[in-house]
Amino acid sequence: EPEVTQTPSHQVTQMGQEVILRCVPISNHLYFYWYRQILGQKVEFLVSFYNNEISEKSEIFDDQFSVERPDGSNFTLKIRSTKLEDSAMYFCASSAGRHSYEQYFGPGTRLTVT
Amino acid sequence: GEDVEQSLFLSVREGDSSVINCTYTDSSSTYLYWYKQEPGAGLQLLTYIFSNMDMKQDQRLTVLLNKKDKHLSLRIADTQTGDSAIYFCAESLYNNNDMRFGAGTRLTVKP
Repeated sequence: EPEVTQTPSHQVTQMGQEVILRCVPISNHLYFYWYRQILGQKVEFLVSFYNNEISEKSEIFDDQFSVERPDGSNFTLKIRSTKLEDSAMYFCASSAGRHSYEQYFGPGTRLTVT
Repeated sequence: GEDVEQSLFLSVREGDSSVINCTYTDSSSTYLYWYKQEPGAGLQLLTYIFSNMDMKQDQRLTVLLNKKDKHLSLRIADTQTGDSAIYFCAESLYNNNDMRFGAGTRLTVKP
């Protein structure tokens, strides 16, 4: 069964450093998403991406964040200058269509900022 | 603002039914979902219900929606140890890509 994959599973970085979290969505999917979950808190929507541009983003997704689909398979989330409060589990998701009920999630990348 | 609330823990015995409850505040919610997260894994969509329905059954899973009270529940019949996981309630609007999640209910199934 096709699945969304994410790398790395765990990333440790120092405050102020740039990180890139990678995702490989399901191959025939057209919509891509990032969510995050700070430890002990809710899963929060960050951004959705379609046709090579951001279609929606939340207040969390400020200028420190960017997304890119650099080739036909990868979907990346970049955090330019990490802060301690960026420590969280980051989930990538993809869907074939626009509606949320079709979203398939990856296993997540745990980002630890020290 | 809009919010989704769940109790954090539920413990049941193997073979019993589990009922996980969720409340939401946005009356415009169009889709309501239940996701399962096992340790080290992503969020697995278990089932979803449209807001114009009040019940949906899928094998051992029964979803009940009380739109007036903005209350959603997931019943798992004949709960097994493999059902031990965190269950997330989520909701979204028709025209939005984003979903709003609850904090998750950790279900523990004791043999």
